[in-house]
Amino acid sequence: NAGVTQTPKFQVLKTGQSMTLQCAQDMNHNSMYWYRQDPGMGLRLIYYSASEGTTDKGEVPNGYNVSRLNKREFSLRLESAAPSQTSVYFCASSEGGTSGGGQETQYFGPGTRLLVL
Amino acid sequence: GDSVTQMEGPVTLSEEAFLTINCTYTATGYPSLFWYVQYPGEGLQLLLKATKADDKGSNKGFEATYRKETTSFHLEKGSVQVSDSAVYFCALSDGSSASKIIFGSGTRLSIRP
Repeated sequence: NAGVTQTPKFQVLKTGQSMTLQCAQDMNHNSMYWYRQDPGMGLRLIYYSASEGTTDKGEVPNGYNVSRLNKREFSLRLESAAPSQTSVYFCASSEGGTSGGGQETQYFGPGTRLLVL
Repeated sequence: GDSVTQMEGPVTLSEEAFLTINCTYTATGYPSLFWYVQYPGEGLQLLLKATKADDKGSNKGFEATYRKETTSFHLEKGSVQVSDSAVYFCALSDGSSASKIIFGSGTRLSIRP
């Protein structure tokens, strides 16, 4: 049981390049999330998927797109990377569904460190 | 909107010292409250949580009590160890079905042997 896995672990991009961050979970969770972590700012939600087939914007969605490929996988795409997107990106999942709500625990992956030059 | 404010770090303590990391929140409803911990090079993991007023969450010697009257959820531990060195995040959930979590900015804790 690997939990939440993310690839790659580290990536360097040039301004304007594109890339996709991959995330997968093996806990049969309904909900998945993408966050970015910047120094002194905690984690900020980029996009989330409450259930398979749905996605919604979070606090900082500009410059990103997501795809909920199936129940296990939730990818984050940067179409044209900018230096402001230099950050550490975390994927998370939670049980979600109708039994979800404010008491749920989110389970985090190890993160992807992205540097945009 | 909902928000979380926690004490700024870094916090440096000697081993076996008493720890308090302050956290206050602003919320319109009745949120659940969490403390997450991030060890170096890793993702966040849940440390403890409380889902209603006066609940006490506890784990690994850490405790926090949900105080609605003071809108606080301070993290405490009676005797810290070097292995407790990490970044601690206070967070709240707004109770929506998607369980979106709002995080504080994090407090870095360093424990000296």
